Amino acid sequence: KQEVTQIPAALSVPEGENLVLNCSFTDSAIYNLQWFRQDPGKGLTSLLLIQSSQREQTSGRLNASLDKSSGRSTLYIAASQPGDSATYLCAVYNQGGKLIFGQGTELSVKP
Amino acid sequence: GAGVSQSPRYKVAKRGQDVALRCDPISGHVSLFWYQQALGQGPEFLTYFQNEAQLDKSGLPSDRFFAERPEGSVSTLKIQRTQQEDSAVYLCASSPAGGPLETQYFGPGTRLLVL
Repeated sequence: KQEVTQIPAALSVPEGENLVLNCSFTDSAIYNLQWFRQDPGKGLTSLLLIQSSQREQTSGRLNASLDKSSGRSTLYIAASQPGDSATYLCAVYNQGGKLIFGQGTELSVKP
Repeated sequence: GAGVSQSPRYKVAKRGQDVALRCDPISGHVSLFWYQQALGQGPEFLTYFQNEAQLDKSGLPSDRFFAERPEGSVSTLKIQRTQQEDSAVYLCASSPAGGPLETQYFGPGTRLLVL
């Protein structure tokens, strides 16, 4: 059974810092891995989708990497801003369309 | 264009009451998913539709949970005889075809509180 774990559960950093969020999964037979952002009381917004054949994806200040063999992904946020404060969720796409989510990392960027 | 919408946004139910949660997917999206998110946790898969066909309902926690999508667009998640442990945010997502190269677009969720 696929399990997804995110570390740390919460993170507080001063504005301007570069930071890394970690995600690990137990079954390497994934089709893709996605990083989402969730703001309080809101739905999920997709940030980056990495296909199983890819090693990384970049969007603006965000860079996500994928190492299938070790069951790990990282989300790198450069030059963090207060507007980046949110919960970040990692999810793997298994056969059948369902996403398996980690429990999330709650990020707070202090001005 | 409009995103995924869900109604109601908030629902308070007394234990034992039946509730119905509605999801309007993005127009033209073939695939529709329901997830349950408990406080402080990531979403957990409940069920999946391809058009009107329910292809996977393995995540429904009990037979009190029932989902339908009769015309292949709007979907309703019904919970009968609600229990306190049903309190959660129920998220709906849609995607064009449900394939692994697509992202799922999520609605804002319905926050259900069972007293």
